[in-house]
Amino acid sequence: DIQMTQSPSSLSASVGDRVTITCRASQGISNYLAWFQQKPGKAPKSLIYAASSLQSGVPSKFSGSGSGTDFTLTISSLQPEDFATYYCQQYGSYPRTFGQGTKLEIK
Amino acid sequence: QVQLQESGPGLVKPSGTLSLTCAVSGGSISSNNWWSWIRQPPGKGLEWIGEIYHSGRTNYNPSLKSRVTISVDKSKNQFSLKLSSVTAADTALYYCARNTDYWGQGTLVTVSS
Repeated sequence: DIQMTQSPSSLSASVGDRVTITCRASQGISNYLAWFQQKPGKAPKSLIYAASSLQSGVPSKFSGSGSGTDFTLTISSLQPEDFATYYCQQYGSYPRTFGQGTKLEIK
Repeated sequence: QVQLQESGPGLVKPSGTLSLTCAVSGGSISSNNWWSWIRQPPGKGLEWIGEIYHSGRTNYNPSLKSRVTISVDKSKNQFSLKLSSVTAADTALYYCARNTDYWGQGTLVTVSS
């Protein structure tokens, strides 16, 4: 299985900040990477697919980059509704695997 | 807008079989998409269970493969999950999803006597 490691596991930031979350794959996955946002009691919401393509309706404050084994999710100008847990998922190999999550909290 | 809705018993006895259905609306299950099941134990991360294509082709997580069956019913535009020989470790929120884009709201399944 491909292991997906996110860092940091938790992150405190203020409204208006820009933050970056990293996801590292244990093997190369080309650009077969997705990012999700999950709020308490809700299903994950897809933000980005193919490492850098924004899902329809997702604001451009979210951006993704990377290829191979190293990927990043950047969120600019944090707003209260952005504080949530973020997961990466690789879909380049079976079984599909997720990172352990990064909890973004208000400072 | 594609919508997915999970349904099934919320309580399953140990050693029993967990059975869930995902109804798809706003789109055809026969479209060029993979239909997945993912689960999340309370307070923990996400685990991919498996997926099915409308042809019936499946891919399963090896960690669960011996206990999992995913099937599709094109006439009802839905797909289903069966997980056998369940234990307390199978207690989780179970989500159905289309590829990586659309997800159901999730349904909590508790394994307890």
